[in-house]
Formats: sequence, C-alpha cells, structure tokens
Amino acid sequence: RKEVEQDPGPFNVPEGATVAFNCTYSNSASQSFFWYRQDCRKEPKLLMSVYSSGNEDGRFTAQLNRASQYISLLIRDSKLSDSATYLCVVKHGGATNKLIFGTGTLLAVQP
Amino acid sequence: SAVISQKPSRDICQRGTSLTIQCQVDSQVTMMFWYRQQPGQSLTLIATANQGSEATYESGFVIDKFPISRPNLTFSTLTVSNMSPEDSSIYLCSVSPSSNTGELFFGEGSRLTVL
Repeated sequence: RKEVEQDPGPFNVPEGATVAFNCTYSNSASQSFFWYRQDCRKEPKLLMSVYSSGNEDGRFTAQLNRASQYISLLIRDSKLSDSATYLCVVKHGGATNKLIFGTGTLLAVQP
Repeated sequence: SAVISQKPSRDICQRGTSLTIQCQVDSQVTMMFWYRQQPGQSLTLIATANQGSEATYESGFVIDKFPISRPNLTFSTLTVSNMSPEDSSIYLCSVSPSSNTGELFFGEGSRLTVL
C-alpha cells in the first residue's frame, strides 16, 4: 500500500465548476500536510499548506481530518488555468523535511 | 524562496554510460534533496545530499548507482551510473530553505532518456 494515496483522475470539469480532491495517508505520525501543483512538464510548486483547522486561499480550500487520515482540496469557480496535476504531500516528523508525494490527481478544466 | 538551476535540462544517453546532473542554488541551504519522477509516477526521494558528509539514501537507492556530491551549501551533483532504460526519468533537485514551513523548491528537472 502506498503511503499517500490519491485518485489519479482525470477530473474533467467545465469552467466555473467546483471540484474536490481527496487524499489518504497511512502514517499516523505524519505531522505536516501540503498540496502541490505540477503543470505539464514542469516542476512541482507549493499550492498551499493544510492546517488542522482547515484553511482557505481564494478559491482554494484545504481540510485535514487526522482521525481519518484524510486530506481534501476544494477548488471553486474553476478556471482553465487550474488545469494541472495536484499532488498531496505529507511530511514526517523531525528535522529532515522528508516529504512523501502522492501520485497526483489530474484536473482538466474545459471551456 | 530559492532559485534552482539544473543542468542538463535533458539528455539522451546510451545504455551502460553515466550522466552527472548539476544543481546550483542561489542561496545557501542546509537541506538539498534529489528526487526521481518516472513517467506517470509521482516523485520518489532518492537521497538527501548532506554538505561535508555522505548522502543519506532512501530504501531502494544505493551510492554505487547514484553517487552524490555536496561540496558546499549551494551546489550538488547526482550521477546516474551504468544506465539502463529503466533509469529513464526526470531527476529533480530540491531545497528546503526553512525547516519550519516544510516547503520544497524544485529545479526544473533533468529529463533523461536511456536507449
């Protein structure tokens, strides 16, 4: 079983739609959580961190459920430019900053 | 933030040869990492490049196959040795300027094709 699991998609949605991605992690000692975005043939870049209380950044909302070891990302009012692969990322505890990446969920926003 | 330059950006190599990828950061960073992203897969950590000491390898990766150098706090190299087609992948250098945020910055990657 992979340590971080995501639905690979693709999610094909029309512009303006709301779409949600889910992610589960297996290591209960994981301490920090992130969503990264990776455009086609580009390097990953941090989209947002995920806090226990949930957090919002514009059209993006991230939530964490530690009891269920579950992370989500909600995108409202999808734009064409949101088309990318969204990577769920988990950080183990300690000072090593070792990040474990999920395989990513591909989002394609259609005009 | 950090600006990372990797080279080569891409290469096509023959089986059995070796390739060294260079990673240059625009600022001093304690932690540098090398990842691999095979086609259709997510990122897999190869090793942590430690300045002044041997790299720390993840399970499944060994120094003989992926020797790493880290001569200072702004530079590292990864060598892919005795390449086979299974080594065809994107190799990414990354740094973590702050251990508090956990954010990683990545180079643009080196796309390697082994024939």
